[in-house]
Amino acid sequence: SQTIHQWPATLVQPVGSPLSLECTVEGTSNPNLYWYRQAAGRGLQLLFYSVGIGQISSEVPQNLSASRPQDRQFILSSKKLLLSDSGFYLCAWIRADYGYTFGSGTRLTVV
Amino acid sequence: AQSVTQLDSQVPVFEEAPVELRCNYSSSVSVYLFWYVQYPNQGLQLLLKYLSGSTLVKGINGFEAEFNKSQTSFHLRKPSVHISDTAEYFCAVGMNYGGSQGNLIFGKGTKLSVKP
Repeated sequence: SQTIHQWPATLVQPVGSPLSLECTVEGTSNPNLYWYRQAAGRGLQLLFYSVGIGQISSEVPQNLSASRPQDRQFILSSKKLLLSDSGFYLCAWIRADYGYTFGSGTRLTVV
Repeated sequence: AQSVTQLDSQVPVFEEAPVELRCNYSSSVSVYLFWYVQYPNQGLQLLLKYLSGSTLVKGINGFEAEFNKSQTSFHLRKPSVHISDTAEYFCAVGMNYGGSQGNLIFGKGTKLSVKP
């Protein structure tokens, strides 16, 4: 079956520390993958998307970066976290039936 | 450019009452439309989608939505809500590139609060 895994579920990190969030998809190949951030009252903001290995498109200039080292792996990173990076991060992929499937999310709190 | 507006940030309603969550969009091209539900600290789950065909779309959990092209709306409705419907609901639009789906643009969400 087609599933998407995202971890960790929660993370508390100090300002200035690095970040690595991982997302993997099972049961499909060459998926379009997405990272969204959800901040209170601001809906979902598309951060990055990838249509294939090594192909990353950035939607919003920011303190974050993304990489796709393998077909079904999508990583969100930061070298130095800011307070403003706090939020709920969601990974997603497009299914063949024209729907996004979301991971369970990572709650990041930068302190 | 596309945009999505969810007209109500919060909707309180009593159990077993009907509810309508409003969504308007703007786009210069044909679109696909979606409603997602998010329970606390969880990812988003697809409720229903409009791709083509009948403008009345039925989804999970008894929800339905109607695509109105002239009013550029895609309002979500349920005739009788339950406590378990308390969640945040997101409307989303994606451009129809001749059958291929572009990236989705999401509204800011509507928090539905069902009270006993």
